[in-house]
Amino acid sequence: AQSVSQHNHHVILSEAASLELGCNYSYGGTVNLFWYVQYPGQHLQLLLKYFSGDPLVKGIKGFEAEFIKSKFSFNLRKPSVQWSDTAEYFCAVRTGRRALTFGSGTRLQVQP
Amino acid sequence: SQTIHQWPATLVQPVGSPLSLECTVEGTSNPNLYWYRQAAGRGLQLLFYSVGIGQISSEVPQNLSASRPQDRQFILSSKKLLLSDSGFYLCAWSAGQGGTGELFFGEGSRLTVL
Repeated sequence: AQSVSQHNHHVILSEAASLELGCNYSYGGTVNLFWYVQYPGQHLQLLLKYFSGDPLVKGIKGFEAEFIKSKFSFNLRKPSVQWSDTAEYFCAVRTGRRALTFGSGTRLQVQP
Repeated sequence: SQTIHQWPATLVQPVGSPLSLECTVEGTSNPNLYWYRQAAGRGLQLLFYSVGIGQISSEVPQNLSASRPQDRQFILSSKKLLLSDSGFYLCAWSAGQGGTGELFFGEGSRLTVL
């Protein structure tokens, strides 16, 4: 069965610091990969997604993620975080026509 | 544009009471529909998904059931709630056959069982 691991459960950064959140999945075939974000009091929304092509994917609000097939990873990055990036971030994977499988989430706290 | 609504937003129920959470989608046809439960530190756990009216797949055996009486309506139910059913329940939809699997989530329903 597919699974997703997010090793960073809680990350605290100062504004302008760089961000990298880890995501690893376990599945050897073709995958679709997603990062979702949940801002405080808001519903989950899509940050970015990878289906095929360029493994470096750019999303909203300056976020990007790189798909490294050999490492089964899809890490999320942002060069300079802002206080408004405080949220919970979820990595998800889809294989075949199955529903998305989500990681346990990473809570990011950005201090002004 | 497509919208998804679920209600109620919050619910406090005693142990042993029934449950009904409802979710409807507008602006699309033949969506795939999903119920997830979100627990702190555990991410989103898929409970049920449906690819069509009356077609329900259960991912986790438990005290809950789901039904899809209409194309854009998805209901999560229980006959007798347990304390362990407390949580945040999310309904989501994705495009049907041929879709990319991208999910669009509702606002969620917070259930507290006392």
